[in-house]
Amino acid sequence: QSALTQPASVSGSPGQSITISCTGTRSDVGGYNFVSWYQQHPGKAPKLLIYDVTNRPSGVSNRFSGSKSGNTASLTISGLQAEDEADYYCSSYTSSSHWVFGGGTKLTVL
Amino acid sequence: QVQLVQSGAEVKKPGASVKVPCKASGYTFTTYTISWVRQAPGQGLEWMGWISPNNGNTNYAQKFQGRVTMTTDTSTSTAYMELRSLKSDDTAVYYCARDRGIAASDYWGQGTLVTVSS
Repeated sequence: QSALTQPASVSGSPGQSITISCTGTRSDVGGYNFVSWYQQHPGKAPKLLIYDVTNRPSGVSNRFSGSKSGNTASLTISGLQAEDEADYYCSSYTSSSHWVFGGGTKLTVL
Repeated sequence: QVQLVQSGAEVKKPGASVKVPCKASGYTFTTYTISWVRQAPGQGLEWMGWISPNNGNTNYAQKFQGRVTMTTDTSTSTAYMELRSLKSDDTAVYYCARDRGIAASDYWGQGTLVTVSS
């Protein structure tokens, strides 16, 4: 199972909105509504931001939102803040009943 | 509060095995599956598989089939991940995580660094 495709890096200024894409196939992202997004700061464990494509766990800021179109899922962060600078990973269920992560995207807040 | 606590760093020689514990607290251990995810230095996240503490069912990533065994001890609410025939590229931080749903882990351990070196 190949990793899902994410841009290596994205950047934005405070207050702006950015979107991170996660591209898979019909056998993973496109075939199921089981896509999650994680935030990871250096040296820390990942933190769940979005699950089941669009749902936010309790306590996660509503500045984070998820969506999906075809084989591509997206994470949008609005009102960018300095503390949003981190690595972001998507994850999806696959047709082989396994899970797969994206390669990760480094977000830089300018 | 939900907590997953892992053991400290380990150093192993190539060909050896490592067994990483993950002690859960703050919730009913048998209600949620536990996933294991690893992260090599400077690299991304890699899913290894999950185990159901309720019935012992496991689901391993193809890459680790035959080399990994995930178990649980419900009497102590502890999950274990054993990886055998270690190679240098198994050097990574190994995380356990509680799964709130499919492909969605909501609580994570702090990670255990496993270094494989001769």
